[in-house]
Amino acid sequence: KAGVTQTPRYLIKTRGQQVTLSCSPISGHRSVSWYQQTPGQGLQFLFEYFSETQRNKGNFPGRFSGRQFSNSRSEMNVSTLELGDSALYLCASSQSRPTDTQYFGPGTRLTVL
Amino acid sequence: AQKVTQAQTEISVVEKEDVTLDCVYETRDTTYYLFWYKQPPSGELVFLIRRNSFDEQNEISGRYSWNFQKSTSSFNFTITASQVVDSAVYFCALTGGTSYGKLTFGQGTILTVHP
Repeated sequence: KAGVTQTPRYLIKTRGQQVTLSCSPISGHRSVSWYQQTPGQGLQFLFEYFSETQRNKGNFPGRFSGRQFSNSRSEMNVSTLELGDSALYLCASSQSRPTDTQYFGPGTRLTVL
Repeated sequence: AQKVTQAQTEISVVEKEDVTLDCVYETRDTTYYLFWYKQPPSGELVFLIRRNSFDEQNEISGRYSWNFQKSTSSFNFTITASQVVDSAVYFCALTGGTSYGKLTFGQGTILTVHP
């Protein structure tokens, strides 16, 4: 079974731009969660989607948004990029229950200049 | 609110030594789940173990073992006879109640195993 895939793997943007990251979950998994990892703040939860609905959201500004499609693939968008948005963005998929094990993708490394 | 504390920021050992990574958690949920993940330099978080709050049995998987003690809110991870390939960052995580897909992670422990 293929694992979680994320595209692109690396991205360089400048301040003020916007970016869209993509995540394809493990086949059969319907829940997708997103996390931001930085050296200073560690791993922080962004949001979780299940059946195209956002079930939970972390403490991030409205510039961070996401969506999920009917095939469970998910995208997250960051608008008006700031230098502090430079991070590794990790996507995880799980079956359906909120406490199911999450399996992570390789991440997208975003650098904002 | 949930909280996970990994007090050891970095641990350095020589190959074949045993090493224990500590994890202490806080939660008000009566049902919760604890996890350990490994993050090698490639960046991907690799799932190691999941344990629910009603199962306090210790678990052993090869050179890995986990000690869950509800009385002290701890979920420690021991690697026996460490190997260079065990070098990575290890994260303890917690979810429960109506967390809905939210894992609360500790700050991670950087383990370096020297040959």
